Amino acid sequence: GAVVSQHPSRVICKSGTSVKIECRSLDFQATTMFWYRQFPKQSLMLMATSNEGSKATYEQGVEKDKFLINHASLTLSTLTVTSAHPEDSSFYICSALPTGRHRAFFGQGTRLTVV
Amino acid sequence: DQQVKQNSPSLSVQEGRISILNCDYTNSMFDYFLWYKKYPAEGPTFLISISSIKDKNEDGRFTVFLNKSAKHLSLHIVPSQPGDSAVYFCAASANSGNTPLVFGKGTRLSVIA
Repeated sequence: GAVVSQHPSRVICKSGTSVKIECRSLDFQATTMFWYRQFPKQSLMLMATSNEGSKATYEQGVEKDKFLINHASLTLSTLTVTSAHPEDSSFYICSALPTGRHRAFFGQGTRLTVV
Repeated sequence: DQQVKQNSPSLSVQEGRISILNCDYTNSMFDYFLWYKKYPAEGPTFLISISSIKDKNEDGRFTVFLNKSAKHLSLHIVPSQPGDSAVYFCAASANSGNTPLVFGKGTRLSVIA
């Protein structure tokens, strides 16, 4: 099956610093990638939709200046958490949707801990 | 407004028995439904899907049933195995191929040996 690689899988950073998370589709092209966040014992909440070559579309309540998304190629999207705070600690998951398909493939997730 | 609902946060089933996970949706534009399985600290993995033109799809021990008139789908796992213990997310997609999946809150399945 299609593979989506998300890196890093785990990161600890100091409050006030920025963290970049990468999401790569390894064997298919993805015009669209999605970034989700999961709080403990809760569902996956869509943060933003990332479209190759254009600006990301953010869901209501998600600060676009805090969660910077770049989708520079058909196989790579990055999420940068800027000026991270402890409340940003969460599990972030990306998914990539092969062009024209309904079925999305997920990365392994990134556990972010801000101390 | 939650468009995809999984009303049971948890379910316990004995090994060898059938597990039935339920999902309801409200958006009539949804026409493709997926089930994902998620272990702790891992990304969700695709399990099975169904298009709205069908009412049943089967893959090994997993069968998904779709009742469009009731806007309801269910995932049946039979026989259940301890390795099936995980959180199961129901997701739905509308017909454009590029719309994000809308997820339910998940149901934690525990299969007891």
